[in-house]
Amino acid sequence: QTVVTQEPSLTVSPGGTVTLTCASSTGAVTSGYYPNWFQQKPGQIPRALIYSTSNKHSWTPARFSGSLLGGKAALTLSGVQPEDEAEYYCLVLYGGAWVFGGGTKVTVL
Amino acid sequence: EVQLLESGGGLVQPGGSLRLSCAASGFTFSNYAMCWVRQAPGKGPEWVSSITASGSDTYYADSVKGRFTISRDNSKNTLFLQMNSLRAEDTAVYYCAKDVGSSPAVYWGQGTLVTVSS
Repeated sequence: QTVVTQEPSLTVSPGGTVTLTCASSTGAVTSGYYPNWFQQKPGQIPRALIYSTSNKHSWTPARFSGSLLGGKAALTLSGVQPEDEAEYYCLVLYGGAWVFGGGTKVTVL
Repeated sequence: EVQLLESGGGLVQPGGSLRLSCAASGFTFSNYAMCWVRQAPGKGPEWVSSITASGSDTYYADSVKGRFTISRDNSKNTLFLQMNSLRAEDTAVYYCAKDVGSSPAVYWGQGTLVTVSS
C-alpha cells in the first residue's frame, strides 16, 4: 500500500516563507501523480488549495504556490499570515486511487 | 452555489451495513465525477472512493475494497456509498465531494458521522 509522507510539523514567523513537502513510498512524485494540496483549520472541512502540482483555485491566495522539488511535491507559503496556521495535506493519484499524506501542522509564531 | 448534503450516518454494530446518500444541487450533477472522503476523529482525511460522471468507472481505497460500493443516480442528483462488513476502524465523518476536472474533492458537503461500535 502506497504511503505518502509529509513533515509532521513546521514553524514559521509571520511574513516568512515555509516549504512543505510530500513524498511517496513508491519513488519520485511527478506531475503524472497530479499532486493536490488542502488546508484544514480546526473544526473546519478541508479546503482545496492547489491541484495538478501548481494550479490554484480561484480562492487560493497568491502567497500559496505548488511545485515539484527533489522528487517530491511541494507547497510553498510566502509572506505567511497568522491565518495560515493550519494543517496541510497533500493528495496524490496512484492508478485511479487517491492517497492523502499524513499532514503537516504549520504553526505561525 | 454547489450544495452537497450527506445523510444516512449513525451507529452500527461491527459487521453491519449502512448506506450513505449525498444530495447534490447547484450544478449539473451528471457532468462531474464525485468522491467520498472520510475523516476519523483527530486524524487526517482519507480518500475512500470515486466514481466517474457517468458512473461507468469506480475506484476504491484498499482499506474498503470489497466492502464498500459507490454508485450514483444522475436522474436524482444523488451519490451513494453502500458500506458492508463495517469495522471499528471505519468510524469517521464521511464527506461527499465534487471533483472538478483533474482536481478531486474541490467542493465538500458537511459530512455525516458513522460510528461502528458494539
